[in-house]
Amino acid sequence: GQNIDQPTEMTATEGAIVQINCTYQTSGFNGLFWYQQHAGEAPTFLSYNVLDGLEEKGRFSSFLSRSKGYSYLLLKELQMKDSASYLCAVRDSNYQLIWGAGTKLIIKP
Amino acid sequence: IAGITQAPTSQILAAGRRMTLRCTQDMRHNAMYWYRQDLGLGLRLIHYSNTAGTTGKGEVPDGYSVSRANTDDFPLTLASAVPSQTSVYFCASSGGTGGNEQFFGPGTRLTVL
Repeated sequence: GQNIDQPTEMTATEGAIVQINCTYQTSGFNGLFWYQQHAGEAPTFLSYNVLDGLEEKGRFSSFLSRSKGYSYLLLKELQMKDSASYLCAVRDSNYQLIWGAGTKLIIKP
Repeated sequence: IAGITQAPTSQILAAGRRMTLRCTQDMRHNAMYWYRQDLGLGLRLIHYSNTAGTTGKGEVPDGYSVSRANTDDFPLTLASAVPSQTSVYFCASSGGTGGNEQFFGPGTRLTVL
């Protein structure tokens, strides 16, 4: 079967750094996506990785290791507005997205 | 219209009733998707359409039907609603069948009693 695993909830302090991990087992791999979802709102796109390595975009970075079936999202200089759920999704061999359940990130002052 | 719109925003429905959730996008995206999101579970694909005139079944299609008469509209119909269809429904679109990120509508919160 296909499976995306990520922690259910994490807590971090404003101004700090947090790493959200995602492991996957899917039928084929055609890229990994990270989305942010604030409570009661729609998911919004953060990053896309298809090759191994680190992609940096401002305060957010995403890393991929295809051989390990592993990705992480790194958030630096945390702000209160970063409190949200972070969704990991893998595009499988049928080019459909398989979604993890999301990681709820709580930022404390 | 800018992006993707969904209607209604929320709805309470009696079991057994028929309901159509509407989705319209103005980005001329080829691909469109319907997901449901339930607490503790990831987004689950109900149906998708790679281009106008074609549709396909996702992970959880039973009890739902879709049509894609044109590029912009992708309605989702519940023929006879059941309480297990209580969920938040998101419509999404992308520029191609495989290439680009998906853009999401604001969602419809549906409660079936």
